[in-house]
Amino acid sequence: DAGVIQSPRHEVTEMGQEVTLRCKPISGHDYLFWYRQTMMRGLELLIYFNNNVPIDDSGMPEDRFSAKMPNASFSTLKIQPSEPRDSAVYFCASSSYAESSGANVLTFGAGSRLTVL
Amino acid sequence: DQQVKQNSPSLSVQEGRISILNCDYTNSMFDYFLWYKKYPAEGPTFLISISSIKDKNEDGRFTVFLNKSAKHLSLHIVPSQPGDSAVYFCAASPFGGNTGKLIFGQGTTLQVKP
Repeated sequence: DAGVIQSPRHEVTEMGQEVTLRCKPISGHDYLFWYRQTMMRGLELLIYFNNNVPIDDSGMPEDRFSAKMPNASFSTLKIQPSEPRDSAVYFCASSSYAESSGANVLTFGAGSRLTVL
Repeated sequence: DQQVKQNSPSLSVQEGRISILNCDYTNSMFDYFLWYKKYPAEGPTFLISISSIKDKNEDGRFTVFLNKSAKHLSLHIVPSQPGDSAVYFCAASPFGGNTGKLIFGQGTTLQVKP
């Protein structure tokens, strides 16, 4: 498996523009997570899905952020309109419960670095 | 409200010595803890975990210690190697690790000098 695939790897946009980040989870994983990394707050959980259904979106900063998972192999995180304070690295991760470890260990993608000017 | 805190932004150690990374948490409902390692331009990767029913878990050069009464955990790396230089994130879950929902700390950058 190629792991969790995120695109784009880098995005530079201007304030007010719409940004769409994409994620392809590992096949067979039934959980998908979106995290945001900043220097001040580290890795923040934005939202997570189980079997394509959003379970907890309490970490989504405000209405400008939205996430969808139309099927088991694709998810998007959209920011509209974008603001300079949204500049961060956005990570997608997927997981599935493993009997061997007795836990749900996340596998992260390489991240999408967003810069909003 | 930072429920998982890594108070040391950075740590520098000599190759061959012990590295100790610390993490504190505030939520007594957390019952599963993990450490992730992150290299530049890559996503975090799982390193080691511990359940709240244990106080120690060891995997090769890596050992995690949990002190529930102090709400404190630490990661020991012995001996430290230059390849261990990375950002280390502590994470906690209130669901026994079953859902994968994790609360992460801010990270500690470890530099191992040759």
